[in-house]
Parts: sequence; structure tokens; C-alpha cells
Amino acid sequence: DTGVSQDPRHKITKRGQNVTFRCDPISEHNRLYWYRQTLGQGPEFLTYFQNEAQLEKSRLLSDRFSAERPKGSFSTLEIQRTEQGDSAMYLCASSFFYEQYFGPGTRLTVT
Amino acid sequence: AQTVTQSQPEMSVQEAETVTLSCTYDTSESNYYLFWYKQPPSRQMILVIRQEAYKQQNATENRFSVNFQKAAKSFSLKISDSQLGDTAMYFCAFMPLSNFGNEKLTFGTGTRLTIIP
Repeated sequence: DTGVSQDPRHKITKRGQNVTFRCDPISEHNRLYWYRQTLGQGPEFLTYFQNEAQLEKSRLLSDRFSAERPKGSFSTLEIQRTEQGDSAMYLCASSFFYEQYFGPGTRLTVT
Repeated sequence: AQTVTQSQPEMSVQEAETVTLSCTYDTSESNYYLFWYKQPPSRQMILVIRQEAYKQQNATENRFSVNFQKAAKSFSLKISDSQLGDTAMYFCAFMPLSNFGNEKLTFGTGTRLTIIP
């Protein structure tokens, strides 16, 4: 297994457009997390899945954000009607227990 | 809610020297884990070391060790014999264990460490 992968690595979009990111976790990991990291800051928790169930969403996750993890495998994070404030690195992490393994992230730039 | 504070935004040290990065945290939790993660430039976050709060013995991983002071809520990282590959952002992170099944991390703002040849 090659670790957590994310696609795309970079995304540039115009304000108002919708974007979707994908995360493929390590295959035996049942827990999957999304974090957002802005310049000069540490990652902030967005949402969490255990298998296919989304168990927690941060207040940072507005109604324009939606995440899914069908069949408990890969996960997608969609942002509708993007705003310039959405520009950030979106990180995915997976774990089987306490140690989280991070993907390379998707860097979103909203122009 | 938990907070994690890293008061050193940037540090630099000569290759082969020892450097200590500071981290303090605030929590009402009694059972938790603490982590140090490393994020090299343009590369993904890597786990460096983990400390369980119930363990009194400080964790070590090769050249990396921690000084965990539970009463003071302090968790510093010591890097011995620093190498050029240690150049990275280092994040301290807190994980409460009270919400089993959702072990989300709270991160500090990071310390940018540069190893000088």
C-alpha cells in the first residue's frame, strides 16, 4: 500500500464554481478525516467518517461543503459556489486507531 | 475545547546540533495523546513521535525525544544531531480520548525549523 492519496494535487477555480476533491485512504483504515490548512496555520478539523458514516462536522463546514464516503472506501469533499476564503490546502488523513496518516493535500486557489 | 500553542514561529540551528521545539496545551481532559508531526516543504505531513498522557516515561524515536510535563501541560520536542532533512514545519497536536471513535487532532500553528549546513 502506498499510503493516503489525494486528487487533484492543485485546483484553480473561479469564484462561484463548484469543486470536488477525492481522498483514497490506506485500505485497512476505517477512520477518515478531512482538515483544512491555511497559510501559516496548523490544520483545522473539518469532518470525520467511521466507515461510511459521517459522525462529526466542524462549524467550519458551512452548508456549501459536503463530504461523502460511499461504502467506506474513498471519500469526496465538494465545495459549492466557491469563495475566495475557501482558498486553502485540504488535507485528508486516515487511521485504524490513534495514529493518523496524512495525504499530500489538495491546494485550492479561488480567483 | 482544547488549545495548542507553539510560541516559536521560526528556529534555525547548525547541522549536527541539538534543538528543542516548545509546545504547551490547555485541556480539561484527563486521557489524551500528544503528537509531533513534521511537514517538509511541499511534502505531506509525517508523524514524528507520539506520547500517551498516562505514561510517565518520555517517548523517544531515534534522534527525536520529548519532554512531557503533564502538570505543566508542556510537550517539547528535542532533535539531536540535527540533519538537513530535518528542515520542515513542525506541528504539535492534541488528541482527546474521551470521544472514542472520533480522535480528531487539534494542531498548533507550527514552528518552521531550518537546519543550516
